Order: sequence, then structure tokens, then C-alpha cells
Amino acid sequence: DAMVIQNPRYQVTQFGKPVTLSCSQTLNHNVMYWYQQKSSQAPKLLFHYYDKDFNNEADTPDNFQSRRPNTSFCFLDIRSPGLGDAAMYLCATSRALGREQFFGPGTRLTVL
Amino acid sequence: TQLLEQSPQFLSIQEGENLTVYCNSSSVFSSLQWYRQEPGEGPVLLVTVVTGGEVKKLKRLTFQFGDARKDSSLHITAAQPGDTGLYLCASRARGGGNQFYFGTGTSLTVIP
Repeated sequence: DAMVIQNPRYQVTQFGKPVTLSCSQTLNHNVMYWYQQKSSQAPKLLFHYYDKDFNNEADTPDNFQSRRPNTSFCFLDIRSPGLGDAAMYLCATSRALGREQFFGPGTRLTVL
Repeated sequence: TQLLEQSPQFLSIQEGENLTVYCNSSSVFSSLQWYRQEPGEGPVLLVTVVTGGEVKKLKRLTFQFGDARKDSSLHITAAQPGDTGLYLCASRARGGGNQFYFGTGTSLTVIP
């Protein structure tokens, strides 16, 4: 089945230690998104790629970076995680902007 | 900037009761989506409404798009424990560029 895959489901890192979260898709969608979601809150968009074009939200901290080496894969790099970065990180894809988004199961990040 | 306000933020009801969740904005939307997110999973699309005044039904769920396309509601009839989750409206504002926003979310708990 076509899907959005996130690995790992749970990630533990130490304060200040760089961490990379991975997302892959078999839907061949043009757009890939990264969201941060804290407990009982709505997902907050960090950035998205439309094909190779990177679009950063204005309030996304510089600590967060992303890479999309090809259509199928997208990575979220957190350069120096702080305690406040502990959250669920959701990857999503869509055929085009504003269209239905398909989400992965998320990666829950713990910062010790 | 959060464009979509949902109410209530939290809702706890008994099985069999009816409920309505609201999504409001000062902006006009070309379309609006409703998602449900179960604990530990990514959001899943329930419905997309496009036309002002449009009503869509999905089993016990009824979705309505306001005539002015600035608000929407989700009504659940005879709620069941399986309806428990975070309900999110989402859209991209007309003329608002590529930003895609989720609403503030409504956390629903249905008690057996």
C-alpha cells in the first residue's frame, strides 16, 4: 500500500546532540511537510518542500533544518536539541499545496 | 499567525450523546478539511468541503461549510468511544500564499 513512513517511531537524544528524523513516501507526491506537535495541541508547520523548493515558516527556529534528496525522502535535522524540542514530529505529503495531506505515524522525540 | 480557531478546545461526553465542534476564521477559504487524529498516530483526512453552504455526511458525522466560507462545523450523532481523538480543521487562505494551517484542535473523549 502507498504510504508515508517515519523512522524511528521513538527517538531519544541528549541535550545539544544533533538528531535526524527520517520520512519516506511511496505516493510520489510533490509536497512534503514537517510538523511539530506538542501534547494535546494542533500540529505546527515547520517547513515544506514543493519538489525541490524549500519553504520555511517564519517562526521556525534556525535550529531546525530539512533536506529532501529526492522525491521519496525528506529529513528533519535538529542541530542542537533543547528540552523544549521534545515533541511528536509528523511528516506529511500531498499531491499539491492545499490538497489532502497524508501523514506518517510520527516520531516521538525525547530530549534528555 | 493562527487563522483557524476551534471550539471547544476540550470535550468529554458520554457514549450516545451528540456534539458539535466549530472552526472559525476571519479569512475566506477556498476549501476546508477536517482531520481526526487518534492517540499516537498522524491525522487522517475525514472530509473536504469546497462550496459555501455545503453539507457532507460520513456515517454519524455531518460536516457543514459556512455560506461565506469562513467557518465550518462538525456534528457527531450518538458518539461512540471510537470517536475519541483530536479533531482538526485545516485550510489555506484564499490569496494567502502557500501557508497551510491547522486549527487549534478539539480534543474529544467519549466515555463508555
